[in-house]
This record gives sequence, C-alpha cells and structure tokens, in this order.
Amino acid sequence: GENVEQHPSTLSVQEGDSAVIKCTYSDSASNYFPWYKQELGKGPQLIIDIRSNVGEKKDQRIAVTLNKTAKHFSLHITETQPEDSAVYFCAAKRTNAGKSTFGDGTTLTVKP
Amino acid sequence: DTEVTQTPKHLVMGMTNKKSLKCEQHMGHRAMYWYKQKAKKPPELMFVYSYEKLSINESVPSRFSPECPNSSLLNLHLHALQPEDSALYLCASSQAGQGEEKLFFGSGTQLSVL
Repeated sequence: GENVEQHPSTLSVQEGDSAVIKCTYSDSASNYFPWYKQELGKGPQLIIDIRSNVGEKKDQRIAVTLNKTAKHFSLHITETQPEDSAVYFCAAKRTNAGKSTFGDGTTLTVKP
Repeated sequence: DTEVTQTPKHLVMGMTNKKSLKCEQHMGHRAMYWYKQKAKKPPELMFVYSYEKLSINESVPSRFSPECPNSSLLNLHLHALQPEDSALYLCASSQAGQGEEKLFFGSGTQLSVL
C-alpha cells in the first residue's frame, strides 16, 4: 500500500517568513495530492491540491509543487501570519481506486 | 452550504453504554466517511459509504456500527466501547465517482470512554 512521509513534524517561523513542508510518497500510481489544514478544535480543511499532470499550483500565499520522478511534493506558504498556525497534513491517492493516505502532520507555529 | 455538521461535539460514555454519533451534509455529496483521530496523529479511515452503500470497512471492530439512512445523513452507533476507543471521530463527505477525493470534514465528536 501507499506510504507517505512528511517533514518536518514541527516548524516554527517568524511572522512574514516563508514556511515549507515536504512529503514523499511510495506508490508511483498515486496521482492526486491534497493538503489539509487542521486548526485547534476543528476538522481538517482542504487548502490546496494538485494532480500529477501539473508541476505547480498556486493560490494567493500558498503553493504546492510536485516532482513525480522523485515522488515528492511540497507546500509553500509565503508571508506567514499568526492565523497560519495549525497542523498541516499532506495526502496521496490514486484517482481510480483506494483511499487517501495521510502524512503524520506538521505543526506550524507562526510567531508574531 | 459547504458545512458538514456533527453532533454531539463532546460525548462521555461508559463501557456498557450505547450511543450514536450523527453527521449531516447538504452539499449533494454521495460519498461519506467516518475517521478516527488520536491526538497529534493523522485521521484514520474507518468506513466509507458511496451512494448510501458501505464500500469500505477498514476492519473496524463490530462495536462500531455505521449507518447511512439517506444521502445527507451518516450515523455511527457505538456499544461496549473500550477506553482505547477514546478519540476525535470525524465525519467527512466528498463528491463520489470523481476519483479526486476532496474531503470536507466536520469538526468532530470528542469521545471519552470511561
């Protein structure tokens, strides 16, 4: 089955700095890669996703990049704000079968 | 309406109790999920319903019994739980049959088993 490794497990940045979270997947047939943000007391929320036929996708301050050859993808947050503080989960899935496999999560803290 | 609503938000139950968790969505999604999440861990899939039929059961113990009465509602019936079943139980929904699994999660039910 699919295995997703996520690093780092914790990340602390100063407000305004950039943050990068990386994930590596094992199943070369995986072709859909979402990122979820989970704030305290809430369920995970989909913030951005990418399909394997695209190398990069951007939505305002967040972007995701995908390297299919190396089987890794990354979340980039620019100009971080305190409200970006949360746990971020990456996931991988084959679009034609199976379930989403989640990484272990990254706790991001943005210091004012 | 892009919300998945879960009730109750908190539940404390004894090992001999029977209780139910409820989930509702009005986004027209035809896939609904139950996940279990322990503190500082990712969500673990328990069950998936697709078009009101159980399509995935991740070898969950029979003390957890899911039910999908209609396309908007999902229940999880609990009985004879163990203390290790204490966790956050998350409901999610997505558009079925599209391959991409964009999950919309509720805020969860925090369950404590005494």
